Amino acid sequence: GQQLNQSPQSMFIQEGEDVSMNCTSSSIFNTWLWYKQDPGEGPVLLIALYKAGELTSNGRLTAQFGITRKDSFLNISASIPSDVGIYFCAGSELGNKLVFGAGTILRVKS
Amino acid sequence: KAGVTQTPRYLIKTRGQQVTLSCSPISGHRSVSWYQQTPGQGLQFLFEYFSETQRNKGNFPGRFSGRQFSNSRSEMNVSTLELGDSALYLCASSPRTDTQYFGPGTRLTVL
Repeated sequence: GQQLNQSPQSMFIQEGEDVSMNCTSSSIFNTWLWYKQDPGEGPVLLIALYKAGELTSNGRLTAQFGITRKDSFLNISASIPSDVGIYFCAGSELGNKLVFGAGTILRVKS
Repeated sequence: KAGVTQTPRYLIKTRGQQVTLSCSPISGHRSVSWYQQTPGQGLQFLFEYFSETQRNKGNFPGRFSGRQFSNSRSEMNVSTLELGDSALYLCASSPRTDTQYFGPGTRLTVL
């Protein structure tokens, strides 16, 4: 079945830093999605990617659909305190339901 | 367009009771999926409904059930609650198979 590996599991950021995280799949995907979840709330869709090689931005966030179709990357530039939360990737093979990564926890360095 | 709504937002029950959670999808979305989220366990898929039919089901015991109505609204039911059922239950509505929009969730606490 489809499996997703998301890394890193957690990371600390300092305000102003750029942040990168990625997901890899065991099979070829047709869709990659990135979500952010704040404590006690549902995940919010940040970026949706539907084509290999696609690079899409949403403000300071940029995500890419890997050309092998087995990976995706999310970058956050010039991080701010409200970027903390859990980031999930999700993807699917054609016609199959979405599968989710385990999440990357973003915390602020004190 | 209004987003996905879930009611209630918070619920406290005791072991052995049953509970029903409700989800109203985004207008025009015919697919609704349910997930259980517990700390350290990520998003665990429960089931998906499309046009009142269950299309996919996760690995949960039969105590967990759901249904979808003709207006696409969905409910999930958990019978004979156990302590381990305490979790955030998330509903997601879909305009297409590969994209989901989540509601705010229902926080269920079982005492």
